[in-house]
Amino acid sequence: EDKVVQSPLSLVVHEGDTVTLNCSYEVTNFRSLLWYKQEKKAPTFLFMLTSSGIEKKSGRLSSILDKKELFSILNITATQTGDSAVYLCAVRRGTNFGNEKLTFGTGTRLTIIP
Amino acid sequence: DGGITQSPKYLFRKEGQNVTLSCEQNLNHDAMYWYRQDPGQGLRLIYYSQIVNDFQKGDIAEGYSVSREKKESFPLTVTSAQKNPTAFYLCASRPAGPVYNEQFFGPGTRLTVL
Repeated sequence: EDKVVQSPLSLVVHEGDTVTLNCSYEVTNFRSLLWYKQEKKAPTFLFMLTSSGIEKKSGRLSSILDKKELFSILNITATQTGDSAVYLCAVRRGTNFGNEKLTFGTGTRLTIIP
Repeated sequence: DGGITQSPKYLFRKEGQNVTLSCEQNLNHDAMYWYRQDPGQGLRLIYYSQIVNDFQKGDIAEGYSVSREKKESFPLTVTSAQKNPTAFYLCASRPAGPVYNEQFFGPGTRLTVL
C-alpha cells in the first residue's frame, strides 16, 4: 500500500528559529514529490521535486529530495509568525499522465511563537 | 479573477440525505480532483477527472458520485451510502500537458452531517 509519512506531527518553535520538516514515502511508480502550505483552507503550492540531491529554494524555504532513501526535507530558516501553518507533503505517482495521482501525508502543524 | 470556487463554505445536512458540493474553475484546466480531509489525516483522493465526460475513482470513492459535463465544473455528490460524511472537502484542478503542473486548490467546503 502506498504511504507518505510526515514527522513530526506538530512542532512549536520561537520566532527566528530554524525548523526541518520530514517526509518519507513508499509508493509505486514514483514521479515527483510536492510540498504544500495550508494556513486556513486551501493548500498553496511550495515546491515540486523530481531529481535527487537538487535543492529547491524560495526565500527562507528550501527543500531537497533523496530518491535512494525515499525521503524529503523542508527547511525554514529565520521563522516568522506567518510561517505558522500545516505543511503537507504529497507524492505524485502513476504510470502515465492519465492515471497520475497525489498521495498526501498527514501534515506537520508548525506553530511559531512570537 | 481566475481561480477555483467551492460552494457553500459550510453545509449542514441530516443523516440519510444526499448533498451536492459545487466546484467551478475558470482557469481552463483540464484535470479536476476531489479530496477529503479529516482531522489528523492527510488529504485523500475521492474522484478525479482528466477530461470532460470522463472520471475515475480515487482511493475512497465509495458513497460518492461525480459528473464532468463541462470543463469548468466538477460537482461531488455525497450520498446516504457514505458512512462518515462529516469532513472538509477540497476541490483542485491543474492544466493537462506533457509537463506536470501542480494542482491548485479551492477554499473547501466543510460538511457536517447531523
